[in-house]
Amino acid sequence: DSGVTQTPKHLITATGQRVTLRCSPRSGDLSVYWYQQSLDQGLQFLIQYYNGEERAKGNILERFSAQQFPDLHSELNLSSLELGDSALYFCASSVASNYGYTFGSGTRLTVV
Amino acid sequence: GDSVTQMEGPVTLSEEAFLTINCTYTATGYPSLFWYVQYPGEGLQLLLKATKADDKGSNKGFEATYRKETTSFHLEKGSVQVSDSAVYFCALDTGRRALTFGSGTRLQVQP
Repeated sequence: DSGVTQTPKHLITATGQRVTLRCSPRSGDLSVYWYQQSLDQGLQFLIQYYNGEERAKGNILERFSAQQFPDLHSELNLSSLELGDSALYFCASSVASNYGYTFGSGTRLTVV
Repeated sequence: GDSVTQMEGPVTLSEEAFLTINCTYTATGYPSLFWYVQYPGEGLQLLLKATKADDKGSNKGFEATYRKETTSFHLEKGSVQVSDSAVYFCALDTGRRALTFGSGTRLQVQP
C-alpha cells in the first residue's frame, strides 16, 4: 500500500457519460497530481493541486476538470466521454517535488 | 521545453544478465532525476533518484548516476532477476511544473 488511495479501480461507462475519479493523498502530502496513461501516449500530466489551489495544468482537455477539497482529497471529473478517453488514470501526491511522487494504483476507465 | 528520452523496448534478458536502460534529458537549470518502476497491474513506484550532478541513486541493486555533461541518467543492474520484469520510466523535475516522464522501457527477464 503506497498510501495514495484511488477509487474506483475499474470503471466501464458509455460514450457521452460523465464520471468522477477520486484520490486520497498520502498523509502529510499537500500536492496532488493527475496523470493519464494510455498505450500510445505514455504518461501525460493533466493537472496539479497544492493545498486546495490549482498549481499547474498540463494536457488536460476542456471536458475534464478537477478539484482538491479542504481535507486534501481530490476528484477528477471527466465528461462527454469519448472512446479515446479509455486509459489508466493515476493520482500521485508529494510533500515536495524533488522528493519524488507517490502514486496510487490507478483507475482503469473503459469507455464503450 | 523539458523532455526525457528513453531507449525503446522491450528489452529481453536472461536471468543474471547485466542491464542498462538509457535515459537522456533536455531541461534548463538543474533538474532532479528519477527512475520509477511499474509492475503489471500496479501504479508507479519510485525506484531511485538523484538531485544534483554526479549523484548516484541506488536501490534494490539498481543504480543510476546523474551525468550533467552528457545529460544522462542511465539505469543499471548487475544481475537481473525474473522479478525485475516491469516497465521502467525515467523522469525529471525542474520545480517549475510536474514530473516529466519518458515513454517507458519494458524489461522482460527470462529464466
